[in-house]
Amino acid sequence: AQKITQTQPGMFVQEKEAVTLDCTYDTSDQSYGLFWYKQPSSGEMIFLIYQGSYDEQNATEGRYSLNFQKARKSANLVISASQLGDSAMYFCAMKGDFNKFYFGSGTKLNVKP
Amino acid sequence: DSGVTQTPKHLITATGQRVTLRCSPRSGDLSVYWYQQSLDQGLQFLIQYYNGEERAKGNILERFSAQQFPDLHSELNLSSLELGDSALYFCASSVAGDRRNTGELFFGEGSRLTVL
Repeated sequence: AQKITQTQPGMFVQEKEAVTLDCTYDTSDQSYGLFWYKQPSSGEMIFLIYQGSYDEQNATEGRYSLNFQKARKSANLVISASQLGDSAMYFCAMKGDFNKFYFGSGTKLNVKP
Repeated sequence: DSGVTQTPKHLITATGQRVTLRCSPRSGDLSVYWYQQSLDQGLQFLIQYYNGEERAKGNILERFSAQQFPDLHSELNLSSLELGDSALYFCASSVAGDRRNTGELFFGEGSRLTVL
Protein backbone atom coordinates (compact mmCIF):
# COMPACT_ATOMS: atom_id res chain seq x y z
CA ALA A 1 0.00 0.00 0.00
CA GLN A 2 1.14 3.50 -0.75
CA LYS A 3 1.82 5.59 2.29
CA ILE A 4 3.57 8.80 3.30
CA THR A 5 4.71 9.26 6.88
CA GLN A 6 5.70 12.50 8.52
CA THR A 7 6.62 11.78 12.11
CA GLN A 8 7.14 15.37 13.29
CA PRO A 9 3.79 17.05 14.03
CA GLY A 10 5.56 20.26 15.02
CA MET A 11 9.05 21.70 15.00
CA PHE A 12 10.80 24.84 16.13
CA VAL A 13 13.87 26.33 14.54
CA GLN A 14 15.84 29.46 15.24
CA GLU A 15 15.88 32.07 12.51
CA LYS A 16 18.87 31.69 10.14
CA GLU A 17 19.45 28.08 11.13
CA ALA A 18 18.85 25.06 8.92
CA VAL A 19 16.04 22.59 9.59
CA THR A 20 15.21 19.13 8.29
CA LEU A 21 11.64 17.92 7.95
CA ASP A 22 11.33 14.16 7.78
CA CYS A 23 9.35 12.17 5.27
CA THR A 24 9.32 8.46 4.61
CA TYR A 25 7.26 6.70 2.01
CA ASP A 26 6.14 3.25 1.07
CA THR A 27 5.34 2.23 -2.46
CA SER A 28 5.49 -0.72 -4.79
CA ASP A 29 5.54 1.52 -7.87
CA GLN A 30 8.77 1.46 -9.84
CA SER A 31 8.38 5.04 -10.93
CA TYR A 32 7.17 7.75 -8.63
CA GLY A 33 7.61 11.40 -7.81
CA LEU A 34 8.12 13.03 -4.44
CA PHE A 35 6.95 16.54 -3.65
CA TRP A 36 6.94 19.01 -0.83
CA TYR A 37 4.27 21.65 -0.34
CA LYS A 38 4.08 24.59 2.02
CA GLN A 39 0.82 25.81 3.51
CA PRO A 40 1.10 29.17 5.31
CA SER A 41 -1.58 30.33 7.70
CA SER A 42 -3.38 32.00 4.80
CA GLY A 43 -4.26 28.50 3.57
CA GLU A 44 -2.93 28.22 0.05
CA MET A 45 -0.84 25.23 -0.98
CA ILE A 46 2.51 26.21 -2.45
CA PHE A 47 4.65 23.74 -4.39
CA LEU A 48 8.26 23.79 -3.19
CA ILE A 49 10.31 21.01 -4.70
CA TYR A 50 10.15 17.79 -6.71
CA GLN A 51 12.30 14.65 -6.79
CA GLY A 52 11.85 11.86 -9.30
CA SER A 53 12.51 8.30 -8.28
CA TYR A 54 15.03 7.92 -11.10
CA ASP A 55 16.85 11.14 -10.33
CA GLU A 56 20.30 10.45 -8.95
CA GLN A 57 20.97 13.98 -7.81
CA ASN A 58 19.13 15.51 -4.88
CA ALA A 59 16.77 18.26 -5.97
CA THR A 60 17.44 21.83 -4.92
CA GLU A 61 15.35 24.97 -5.28
CA GLY A 62 16.90 28.01 -3.68
CA ARG A 63 16.98 27.47 0.07
CA TYR A 64 15.11 24.17 -0.26
CA SER A 65 16.78 20.86 -0.91
CA LEU A 66 15.44 17.37 -0.85
CA ASN A 67 17.58 14.72 0.78
CA PHE A 68 16.52 11.67 -1.21
CA GLN A 69 17.61 8.26 0.07
CA LYS A 70 15.91 5.74 -2.14
CA ALA A 71 17.05 2.61 -0.31
CA ARG A 72 15.71 4.01 2.95
CA LYS A 73 12.60 5.37 1.23
CA SER A 74 13.07 8.78 2.70
CA ALA A 75 12.66 12.22 1.15
CA ASN A 76 13.52 14.78 3.78
CA LEU A 77 13.16 18.49 3.13
CA VAL A 78 16.03 20.68 4.21
CA ILE A 79 15.45 24.40 4.57
CA SER A 80 18.63 26.39 4.93
CA ALA A 81 18.89 29.77 6.62
CA SER A 82 15.35 29.72 8.00
CA GLN A 83 13.30 32.88 7.76
CA LEU A 84 10.27 33.99 9.74
CA GLY A 85 8.21 33.59 6.60
CA ASP A 86 9.03 29.88 6.56
CA SER A 87 6.66 29.35 9.47
CA ALA A 88 3.97 27.18 7.96
CA MET A 89 2.64 23.68 7.58
CA TYR A 90 4.71 21.45 5.31
CA PHE A 91 3.34 18.45 3.49
CA CYS A 92 5.27 15.66 1.83
CA ALA A 93 3.53 13.97 -1.09
CA MET A 94 4.12 11.14 -3.51
CA LYS A 95 2.78 10.72 -7.03
CA GLY A 96 2.45 7.17 -8.22
CA ASP A 97 0.86 5.28 -11.01
CA PHE A 98 -2.35 6.55 -12.58
CA ASN A 99 -1.59 10.05 -11.38
CA LYS A 100 -2.47 9.21 -7.81
CA PHE A 101 -1.15 11.51 -5.10
CA TYR A 102 -0.60 10.57 -1.49
CA PHE A 103 -0.03 13.15 1.24
CA GLY A 104 1.54 12.91 4.65
CA SER A 105 -0.09 14.37 7.75
CA GLY A 106 2.13 17.43 7.72
CA THR A 107 4.70 19.11 9.94
CA LYS A 108 4.06 22.50 11.46
CA LEU A 109 7.25 24.55 11.45
CA ASN A 110 7.68 27.55 13.69
CA VAL A 111 10.66 29.82 13.08
CA LYS A 112 11.71 31.76 16.17
CA PRO A 113 13.29 35.20 15.89
CA ASP B 1 -1.45 32.24 -9.31
CA SER B 2 -1.57 28.46 -9.84
CA GLY B 3 -4.01 28.69 -12.72
CA VAL B 4 -6.60 26.62 -10.86
CA THR B 5 -9.76 28.56 -10.11
CA GLN B 6 -12.17 27.67 -7.36
CA THR B 7 -15.47 29.27 -6.56
CA PRO B 8 -16.81 30.34 -4.20
CA LYS B 9 -13.91 31.27 -1.93
CA HIS B 10 -16.13 31.41 1.13
CA LEU B 11 -19.51 29.88 1.81
CA ILE B 12 -21.64 29.93 4.91
CA THR B 13 -24.70 27.74 5.07
CA ALA B 14 -26.92 25.86 7.48
CA THR B 15 -27.11 22.21 8.41
CA GLY B 16 -29.18 20.13 6.05
CA GLN B 17 -28.46 22.34 3.07
CA ARG B 18 -26.72 21.50 -0.19
CA VAL B 19 -23.87 23.37 -1.83
CA THR B 20 -21.87 23.08 -5.03
CA LEU B 21 -18.19 23.91 -5.26
CA ARG B 22 -16.73 24.62 -8.66
CA CYS B 23 -13.25 24.14 -10.03
CA SER B 24 -11.58 25.06 -13.29
CA PRO B 25 -8.27 23.29 -13.75
CA ARG B 26 -5.18 24.73 -15.36
CA SER B 27 -5.33 24.90 -19.10
CA GLY B 28 -4.32 21.54 -20.49
CA ASP B 29 -4.52 19.61 -17.24
CA LEU B 30 -6.70 16.54 -17.57
CA SER B 31 -6.64 15.37 -13.97
CA VAL B 32 -8.68 17.02 -11.24
CA TYR B 33 -8.55 16.15 -7.57
CA TRP B 34 -10.66 17.17 -4.61
CA TYR B 35 -9.35 17.33 -1.06
CA GLN B 36 -10.94 18.22 2.25
CA GLN B 37 -8.95 19.90 5.00
CA SER B 38 -10.63 20.31 8.36
CA LEU B 39 -9.22 22.79 10.87
CA ASP B 40 -5.56 22.08 11.64
CA GLN B 41 -5.78 18.73 9.90
CA GLY B 42 -4.05 17.20 6.92
CA LEU B 43 -5.45 16.78 3.47
CA GLN B 44 -8.11 14.14 3.06
CA PHE B 45 -8.34 12.87 -0.49
CA LEU B 46 -11.90 12.77 -1.73
CA ILE B 47 -11.92 11.93 -5.41
CA GLN B 48 -9.92 12.11 -8.63
CA TYR B 49 -11.06 12.56 -12.22
CA TYR B 50 -9.15 12.10 -15.41
CA ASN B 51 -10.54 13.49 -18.63
CA GLY B 52 -14.10 13.23 -17.45
CA GLU B 53 -13.92 9.84 -15.83
CA GLU B 54 -13.62 8.97 -12.18
CA ARG B 55 -10.13 7.60 -11.60
CA ALA B 56 -9.90 7.11 -7.84
CA LYS B 57 -12.10 7.56 -4.84
CA GLY B 58 -10.95 8.27 -1.32
CA ASN B 59 -12.84 8.90 1.88
CA ILE B 60 -15.74 10.61 0.21
CA LEU B 61 -19.06 10.44 2.03
CA GLU B 62 -22.14 9.20 0.22
CA ARG B 63 -23.67 12.64 0.80
CA PHE B 64 -20.93 14.05 -1.42
CA SER B 65 -20.69 13.63 -5.16
CA ALA B 66 -18.55 15.06 -7.90
CA GLN B 67 -18.21 15.10 -11.63
CA GLN B 68 -15.90 16.39 -14.31
CA PHE B 69 -17.50 17.90 -17.37
CA PRO B 70 -16.40 17.72 -21.02
CA ASP B 71 -14.74 21.13 -20.72
CA LEU B 72 -12.75 19.60 -17.81
CA HIS B 73 -14.16 21.80 -15.08
CA SER B 74 -15.35 19.91 -12.04
CA GLU B 75 -18.00 20.31 -9.41
CA LEU B 76 -18.19 18.89 -5.90
CA ASN B 77 -21.69 18.61 -4.51
CA LEU B 78 -22.15 18.41 -0.77
CA SER B 79 -25.64 17.62 0.50
CA SER B 80 -27.40 17.18 3.85
CA LEU B 81 -24.63 19.23 5.34
CA GLU B 82 -23.51 18.65 8.91
CA LEU B 83 -21.44 20.78 11.24
CA GLY B 84 -18.50 18.46 10.72
CA ASP B 85 -18.44 19.23 7.01
CA SER B 86 -17.05 22.67 7.77
CA ALA B 87 -13.64 22.65 6.14
CA LEU B 88 -11.43 24.02 3.43
CA TYR B 89 -12.07 22.19 0.18
CA PHE B 90 -9.26 22.19 -2.30
CA CYS B 91 -9.34 21.42 -5.95
CA ALA B 92 -6.09 20.60 -7.68
CA SER B 93 -5.07 19.70 -11.18
CA SER B 94 -2.16 17.95 -12.77
CA VAL B 95 -0.90 17.06 -16.19
CA ALA B 96 -1.32 13.48 -17.28
CA GLY B 97 1.38 11.34 -15.73
CA ASP B 98 4.34 10.39 -17.76
CA ARG B 99 6.47 7.36 -17.07
CA ARG B 100 8.53 9.21 -14.55
CA ASN B 101 5.51 10.69 -12.76
CA THR B 102 6.63 14.25 -12.93
CA GLY B 103 4.09 17.02 -12.82
CA GLU B 104 3.13 18.48 -9.50
CA LEU B 105 -0.35 19.19 -8.27
CA PHE B 106 -1.45 22.76 -8.76
CA PHE B 107 -3.88 23.80 -6.07
CA GLY B 108 -6.64 26.31 -6.16
CA GLU B 109 -7.02 28.72 -3.28
CA GLY B 110 -9.70 26.56 -1.76
CA SER B 111 -13.35 27.02 -0.88
CA ARG B 112 -13.89 27.59 2.81
CA LEU B 113 -17.21 26.10 3.85
CA THR B 114 -18.78 26.94 7.17
CA VAL B 115 -21.84 25.02 8.24
CA LEU B 116 -23.82 26.62 11.07
